[in-house]
Amino acid sequence: AQTVTQSQPEMSVQEAETVTLSCTYDTSESDYYLFWYKQPPSRQMILVIRQEAYKQQNATENRFSVNFQKAAKSFSLKISDSQLGDAAMYFCAYRSLPSGNQFYFGTGTSLTVIP
Amino acid sequence: DTGVSQDPRHKITKRGQNVTFRCDPISEHNRLYWYRQTLGQGPEFLTYFQNEAQLEKSRLLSDRFSAERPKGSFSTLEIQRTEQGDSAMYLCASSREGTSGKETQYFGPGTRLLVL
Repeated sequence: AQTVTQSQPEMSVQEAETVTLSCTYDTSESDYYLFWYKQPPSRQMILVIRQEAYKQQNATENRFSVNFQKAAKSFSLKISDSQLGDAAMYFCAYRSLPSGNQFYFGTGTSLTVIP
Repeated sequence: DTGVSQDPRHKITKRGQNVTFRCDPISEHNRLYWYRQTLGQGPEFLTYFQNEAQLEKSRLLSDRFSAERPKGSFSTLEIQRTEQGDSAMYLCASSREGTSGKETQYFGPGTRLLVL
């Protein structure tokens, strides 16, 4: 089974600054999707950003961007101009295309935004 | 679009009892997923439906767990003879089948189960 590793249990960032959350994954597949999800305290998990493995261009969504390094199996999330509302648990997830519809999640990184 | 809803939001039960959770997906979504999330961990995939068909089940899903989606709309997850290790947040997510895996999963608020 694929594994997703988030090595930073907790991170903090000053408001308006930039922070990068790390994620690595292990797979032998060449076709897959990677995701970052955000889970605010006591609220529902929402999709932040998605990256298709076949695309070399890094995905961006407003203040959120990724650094996708396919050979290194690395998928980091950069949050620019951090806002108080960015404080949440962030999960990296992997979805295999050949192997069905299972999503594999990392253990999460808790992000604190300091005013 | 009212989002994914789950009921109940919290459940406390005694070991050995049966519990059933319900998930109502977004109406036009044909795919529905169940996950389990324990403290300090990410969601773990349990099972997945496309319409009313249960297409995948995780090895984590013991025979005490059963899920249904009888009419391809809402789904239920039943746990029989609950054990303390079943204590967790049970998350439901739904999506509309997209091309080449581009679908986006929308998560419900979860049902938090505590087995005493």
